[in-house]
Amino acid sequence: QKEVEQNSGPLSVPEGAIASLNCTYSDRGSQSFFWYRQYSGKSPELIMFIYSNGDKEDGRFTAQLNKASQYVSLLIRDSQPSDSATYLCAVKGYGAAGNKLTFGGGTRVLVKP
Amino acid sequence: DTGVSQNPRHKITKRGQNVTFRCDPISEHNRLYWYRQTLGQGPEFLTYFQNEAQLEKSRLLSDRFSAERPKGSFSTLEIQRTEQGDSAMYLCASSLGPGANTEAFFGQGTRLTVV
Repeated sequence: QKEVEQNSGPLSVPEGAIASLNCTYSDRGSQSFFWYRQYSGKSPELIMFIYSNGDKEDGRFTAQLNKASQYVSLLIRDSQPSDSATYLCAVKGYGAAGNKLTFGGGTRVLVKP
Repeated sequence: DTGVSQNPRHKITKRGQNVTFRCDPISEHNRLYWYRQTLGQGPEFLTYFQNEAQLEKSRLLSDRFSAERPKGSFSTLEIQRTEQGDSAMYLCASSLGPGANTEAFFGQGTRLTVV
């Protein structure tokens, strides 16, 4: 079992709709959770991070964390064609495991005009 | 530009040659990380530095790989006797201090192709 799992997609959403991305993790001691966006051939760009259970909103993005169920999700509201990218979920653990990010394989999102 | 800077952006080398990549982190960031990413995969952790000290190395970092951060500022990643399996994007990231809630920012990456 991978430490951080994401559906590889592609997740196809019409323009203006909500894209919902999920990520599950295996280490129950994980402390913080990051979402990165990566355009093809480019490096990851930080969207937002969350470390408390519940929702955190930043513009059109909402991160949701449920530590009991060990999943974190990202909602993209009013999806735009420019949101077409791969979205990477990354996790930091507790103690020494908090020293680095462990990434999932990413979910490719396609927003169709 | 005050972000993380990596050079070169692209490198094509013949199998068996040595290559060196450079990373300049965000100036006040004392943590520096190296990751490797292959096509269709998420980035994989290689190593990280706290100032000039290399504190952790992944098992992915074979003896052919070495990283340095001599003065706690820029870092270099050298790959000796390159193999075709080394072809990947090499990513550098930096963050301000330790801790689970600090954000890491990535550079543009160096894409290595071994022919």
